[in-house]
Amino acid sequence: NAGVMQNPRHLVRRRGQEARLRCSPMKGHSHVYWYRQLPEEGLKFMVYLQKENIIDESGMPKERFSAEFPKEGPSILRIQQVVRGDSAAYFCASSLPPPENYEQYFGPGTRLTVT
Amino acid sequence: QQQVKQSPQSLIVQKGGISIINCAYENTAFDYFPWYQQFPGKGPALLIAIRPDVSEKKEGRFTISFNKSAKQFSLHIMDSQPGDSATYFCAASIHAGNNRKLIWGLGTSLAVNP
Repeated sequence: NAGVMQNPRHLVRRRGQEARLRCSPMKGHSHVYWYRQLPEEGLKFMVYLQKENIIDESGMPKERFSAEFPKEGPSILRIQQVVRGDSAAYFCASSLPPPENYEQYFGPGTRLTVT
Repeated sequence: QQQVKQSPQSLIVQKGGISIINCAYENTAFDYFPWYQQFPGKGPALLIAIRPDVSEKKEGRFTISFNKSAKQFSLHIMDSQPGDSATYFCAASIHAGNNRKLIWGLGTSLAVNP
């Protein structure tokens, strides 16, 4: 399967714990985007990364959230000290590098529940 | 402010009918307009997309109509089927250097009755 892969698909954390969400882009794609979606709402952009570099993090909350895309391995979205308001579906998308980064292809998402 | 306004919020269509979803934008710098389809519990899937130098694009039962002067574009689903029941998102893409960003509509929940 050459599609975007995300894991885990479901994640339950207690308030104050850390959540780590992983994303492996499509084969041949080197750029990754993270989005958050609340029930009955649209997608909210969080961060845009290429390997070892953050291109745009204008949608990331200032505290507790961080993202990385190392030279080797998946991209990781990390949420520290989770709160109930962090409960949402988190989607990763990938694209080709510029100038061919028009099309974004999405993974199945990670549904985070904070209890 | 960069915005994409999508309507209607929800839509009910009879099987075999035409579903029409509309989007409007403000920023003329947008240069790519995709539509995504999302089923419950799944990630959005790229359905069809258009560039502003084209007025219409058709793929199977799905057609995008694009009106550059009015800054509007719409998705038409011909012969709508119950399997088309999903949430549809329009988006508009803009780039600045290596940064390309999608600005999303809020979605339309489509229900096709059998």
